[in-house]
Amino acid sequence: DVKVTQSSRYLVKRTGEKVFLECVQDMDHENMFWYRQDPGLGLRLIYFSYDVKMKEKGDIPEGYSVSREKKERFSLILESASTNQTSMYLCAITISNTGELFFGEGSRLTVL
Amino acid sequence: GDSVTQMEGPVTLSEEAFLTINCTYTATGYPSLFWYVQYPGEGLQLLLKATKADDKGSNKGFEATYRKETTSFHLEKGSVQVSDSAVYFCALSDVLNDMRFGAGTRLTVKP
Repeated sequence: DVKVTQSSRYLVKRTGEKVFLECVQDMDHENMFWYRQDPGLGLRLIYFSYDVKMKEKGDIPEGYSVSREKKERFSLILESASTNQTSMYLCAITISNTGELFFGEGSRLTVL
Repeated sequence: GDSVTQMEGPVTLSEEAFLTINCTYTATGYPSLFWYVQYPGEGLQLLLKATKADDKGSNKGFEATYRKETTSFHLEKGSVQVSDSAVYFCALSDVLNDMRFGAGTRLTVKP
């Protein structure tokens, strides 16, 4: 079975803090994604990676960076968290050539 | 660019009612179409999919047919249950690594 694990389900951080959200997959998949989900806006792509050390910007990369040092791990970094980054963050992997995504359970971040 | 428009919610139904959530898309190519569901406190999970015109995806009593002529992929279920209460997302994938999602429709089913 495919498994995508996000390290933290709920986080509360203060404005200006550095935040790391980690995502680990166990099936040697190449493509990994970070989305944010906000009510009424659906899911918006922040970054994706198609291989180790490779990354591509999505639709809303501003204020975020990513790291993929190992194939199974894709990290989302908020260098200086702001209140408008309060959101649900979802990690996903591609599991077929139709582009079908498999998601982790999400990390709900609150920035105070 | 490619996009998905889905029916705004929230939708509230009584148990055993018929459900339709409308979804239309814009795409330059021949996308695959998906419905994802998000139960409270969880991530998204695939509900059903269709990869070419006239395909019907089905799962857990839900169905959706890929209609190229009307660029639609409406989600239907004949008799909803309280356990179907969730947020439903329509999505398309045309170019690899570029899945587009609708805004989501929240469904509440009351006993």
